[in-house]
Amino acid sequence: GENVEQHPSTLSVQEGDSAVIKCTYSDSASNYFPWYKQELGKRPQLIIDIRSNVGEKKDQRIAVTLNKTAKHFSLHITETQPEDSAVYFCAAARSGGYNKLIFGAGTRLAVHP
Amino acid sequence: DTEVTQTPKHLVMGMTNKKSLKCEQHMGHRAMYWYKQKAKKPPELMFVYSYEKLSINESVPSRFSPECPNSSLLNLHLHALQPEDSALYLCASSQATVTQETQYFGPGTRLLVL
Repeated sequence: GENVEQHPSTLSVQEGDSAVIKCTYSDSASNYFPWYKQELGKRPQLIIDIRSNVGEKKDQRIAVTLNKTAKHFSLHITETQPEDSAVYFCAAARSGGYNKLIFGAGTRLAVHP
Repeated sequence: DTEVTQTPKHLVMGMTNKKSLKCEQHMGHRAMYWYKQKAKKPPELMFVYSYEKLSINESVPSRFSPECPNSSLLNLHLHALQPEDSALYLCASSQATVTQETQYFGPGTRLLVL
């Protein structure tokens, strides 16, 4: 069945360092890849997404890259800050109106001052 | 209004109770979703409504009954739940178009079944 693997499960960095989270998906028909940030006790919030016709997308300190051939996509956070500490979920879906997001297991990121 | 709202925030119920969770959005979204999230796990899709019609049921037990009375409202009716159903129940909505498919989540209802 459809599956998204996410690594690492936990990530600890010093403030100002970069953080990279990697995901691999199994469904070759997936063409929409969002990333959600979920702080403790709060709702998941979209931080960035990418579609299969784009290889890279940036938004200030956050970037996502997609390798369709390898079925890999990654989240890059530069100049990390303590408020970046949260659980990050990658997801994959087939576009088509409503979509069924297949989530990765999540990465708990801790940014230490 | 750019938010998805959910009520109640917290709910404690016994296994013989009947209760309902409510979700509302006024963004004109035509797709609405129910997810279940256990601690330290990703959200798990339960149901999807598209244009007020049930489009996906992820083999959810019948003790969970969804309802979409109109394009802004989504309910989840609960009865005869089990303790293992205790979780955070998240509602989400999206535009239901190929180019506008971001799902926006509500704050969730934290459910405890005793």
